Amino acid sequence: DQQVKQNSPSLSVQEGRISILNCDYTNSMFDYFLWYKKYPAEGPTFLISISSIKDKNEDGRFTVFLNKSAKHLSLHIVPSQPGDSAVYFCAAMGDRNNDMRFGAGTRLTVKP
Amino acid sequence: ETGVTQSPTHLIKTRGQQVTLRCSSQSGHNTVSWYQQALGQGPQFIFQYYREEENGRGNFPPRFSGLQFPNYSSELNVNALELDDSALYLCASSLAGVVGELFFGEGSRLTVL
Repeated sequence: DQQVKQNSPSLSVQEGRISILNCDYTNSMFDYFLWYKKYPAEGPTFLISISSIKDKNEDGRFTVFLNKSAKHLSLHIVPSQPGDSAVYFCAAMGDRNNDMRFGAGTRLTVKP
Repeated sequence: ETGVTQSPTHLIKTRGQQVTLRCSSQSGHNTVSWYQQALGQGPQFIFQYYREEENGRGNFPPRFSGLQFPNYSSELNVNALELDDSALYLCASSLAGVVGELFFGEGSRLTVL
């Protein structure tokens, strides 16, 4: 059962523009949402997170938006840089930190 | 601070064999989670260990088993390997009681022929 879905397998943007990566979930019990970034031959690394009590969290160029009623979250990267080119995974979990569910990932390519 | 390390990085087995993958957690972390990432998919939760006990399990059969040791390092064992077990196996460590961020190793890529 895919409880976390990333429907866009790939996204290409120009350097300096905004990248918007989307994620949908089905389980209303999810409490906490995270984005991870993965470069080839490396493990995923944590990027940014948001609790279900918030609708926005910002960290430098990265902002995550959460729409609980739509069960949708998005990651905005502004401005996009070539070094942001990677696979981005959306993840969600309940109140117990023992079963984090991941989407299939979106490959972002930022062109110089 | 030592990060999460996994071994081996690559291995090839044949169907029916058994495999053991190893993970050393990040310094100070007492919880280890294992994930399977098949090609083109996101990581899928296998199980988590805390205080040497299984603390949650995903939808994987019993031939996937694990251990956690007193130093918080961990093993993932897979018996009776099947072709579909070919994947990247990721270990992630975290601190119990701290919600959210997992620290991943680089993974062990298993190929079953």
